[in-house]
Amino acid sequence: EAGVAQSPRYKIIEKRQSVAFWCNPISGHATLYWYQQILGQGPKLLIQFQNNGVVDDSQLPKDRFSAERLKGVDSTLKIQPAKLEDSAVYLCASSLDGTAAGYTFGSGTRLTVV
Amino acid sequence: GNSVTQMEGPVTLSEEAFLTINCTYTATGYPSLFWYVQYPGEGLQLLLKATKADDKGSNKGFEATYRKETTSFHLEKGSVQVSDSAVYFCALRSNAGGTSYGKLTFGQGTILTVHP
Repeated sequence: EAGVAQSPRYKIIEKRQSVAFWCNPISGHATLYWYQQILGQGPKLLIQFQNNGVVDDSQLPKDRFSAERLKGVDSTLKIQPAKLEDSAVYLCASSLDGTAAGYTFGSGTRLTVV
Repeated sequence: GNSVTQMEGPVTLSEEAFLTINCTYTATGYPSLFWYVQYPGEGLQLLLKATKADDKGSNKGFEATYRKETTSFHLEKGSVQVSDSAVYFCALRSNAGGTSYGKLTFGQGTILTVHP
């Protein structure tokens, strides 16, 4: 089965610019997650979708970050405007129903804000 | 809230050495516990898991036992190989229900380097 696809793999932007990341989960997976992994730290959940509804966005900095999952399939995560501290790897993961023992993670998008 | 603490790294070993990476957790109820591995340039991969107390997860020669009395889930391997060089993350998933069901809480990661 195809894995979780993410693009782009790398992105370099200047602070105050905007950026968007795209994720295509495994077909049929209802639950989709976006995690932020800052260098030297473990991933931290930003937002969790169940189908096209938001389940948990308590850790999402909503003044600059937004995410959507149209039609319950693909998802985009946007940052506008970016700050230096947003430099991180953004990981997308999906699971069949959130109750599965493990997820499938994508390879991530490495964002560098200069 | 939930938290995971891993031993400080990086860890550097010679091939065939014994590996232990300590992991302790704080959580309400009875979480599920996981070890993930991240090889250079690749995404996170599930290495092993345990869903209840005294369960032992194992995969590729790695083992970890869910110890509720010590709230620990230490990763061990009897003989490491150069190909085991990677970053290892301990994680938990709360089974307490609610809107964050399925959310993973990760430790900070431990870098393992194995020399020939």
